[in-house]
Amino acid sequence: EVQLVESGGGLMQPGGSLRLSCAASGISVSNNHMSWVRQAPGKGLEWVSVIYMSGGTSYADSVKGRFTISRDNSKNTLFLEMKNLRVEDTAVYYCARVGGGVIPTISDGFDIWGQGTMVTVSS
Amino acid sequence: SYVLTQPPSVSLAPGKTATITCEGNNLLSKSVHWYQRKPGQAPVLVIHNDSDRPSGIPERISGSNSGNTATLTITRVEVGDEADYFCQVWDSSSDHRVFGGGTKLTVL
Repeated sequence: EVQLVESGGGLMQPGGSLRLSCAASGISVSNNHMSWVRQAPGKGLEWVSVIYMSGGTSYADSVKGRFTISRDNSKNTLFLEMKNLRVEDTAVYYCARVGGGVIPTISDGFDIWGQGTMVTVSS
Repeated sequence: SYVLTQPPSVSLAPGKTATITCEGNNLLSKSVHWYQRKPGQAPVLVIHNDSDRPSGIPERISGSNSGNTATLTITRVEVGDEADYFCQVWDSSSDHRVFGGGTKLTVL
């Protein structure tokens, strides 16, 4: 069974740091383009970051310079390192696979999602 | 940055046909994906690449893309279709994924 399981969320103060994890089973994070997407309370979906099979990365302007996406191929796990957290970073964070077609394509949507982990930034 | 615009809400009676639009500049040049998100659940991909239905998605759900507008159509809507629906594209110029603001579908 294909599954993505996020962990690491919690309550943090502004300016703090947090690392989210996404353990994958049934798929290989190194052989897929993987992404983080978040949804703030009462708001819509917001793409955060992507790491490509090649190892290249891209970030939303709202998190660039503060968040770092990475993966551990041996643990088949995706990470999101978040620094200098802001109140507006409060959201449910989902990891998701970029896919849906027969062959992974960079323009694919997100076909597999985790259940999400809640990050709350508040003083 | 690229912007996708959706109506905030759509309401209709059971059995009717729901159409949810997604507008963006030169949208036809991009692959549009649609997601259904119910409260407390992760989003589900319901339309891929403008009009492809992933396995398990009912034929009542379809998509199209023309000009500057993509459309998600749900025929014979049911109470179980109540959810937020989001469109999404990859913007090659910025290498960013972009979501529309979402449309809340209410089945009265």
